[in-house]
Amino acid sequence: LAKTTQPISMDSYEGQEVNITCSHNNIATNDYITWYQQFPSQGPRFIIQGYKTKVTNEVASLFIPADRKSSTLSLPRVSLSDTAVYYCLVLPNDYKLSFGAGTTVTVRA
Amino acid sequence: GAVVSQHPSRVICKSGTSVKIECRSLDFQATTMFWYRQFPKQSLMLMATSNEGSKATYEQGVEKDKFLINHASLTLSTLTVTSAHPEDSSFYICSARDGAGENPYEQFFGPGTRLTVL
Repeated sequence: LAKTTQPISMDSYEGQEVNITCSHNNIATNDYITWYQQFPSQGPRFIIQGYKTKVTNEVASLFIPADRKSSTLSLPRVSLSDTAVYYCLVLPNDYKLSFGAGTTVTVRA
Repeated sequence: GAVVSQHPSRVICKSGTSVKIECRSLDFQATTMFWYRQFPKQSLMLMATSNEGSKATYEQGVEKDKFLINHASLTLSTLTVTSAHPEDSSFYICSARDGAGENPYEQFFGPGTRLTVL
């Protein structure tokens, strides 16, 4: 199972772009990368998933370089409501999610 | 979008009693359901994987006789914490995977159940 490493915390201000980089050096050829968001006392929520290059949806963008040993979640123009914990995960074939510590993003006014 | 519910959202019980938590997929059939536990200021820890009609698979260190999981239908899984003790107090979260959905990897999480054992 590929282990992920991401910063413990990040601070930002409203309207700024937040980029969270995750390392997954041991990612396997068939593994996908996914990101989840969790607010306090709630279950996580799926944000985005990708295999390579760039994926964009209405919430975020995910950049994955050619070697796939890292990925960057980009949150454009964050607001106070984006304050949450963001988890980077590598998806194994058995679909079991192994959550790391995540990155606590704090958005200030 | 796919919705997963949990009931109850919060439960307080006395030490030694058993507590049942329900997890339902409301608008899809869940091929697989997962149960997680999250202690304060910590990450989610996978407890077990549940497939409809078969026995749950427990992660290492999780006592299957203490945490009984039943996945009787494609929309319902239950977790029963038997003979609960204060150290079982935690936030229990379920998730469900729609094997026939657009993204078979995506897991839809329930809102969680806060268990407090006195």
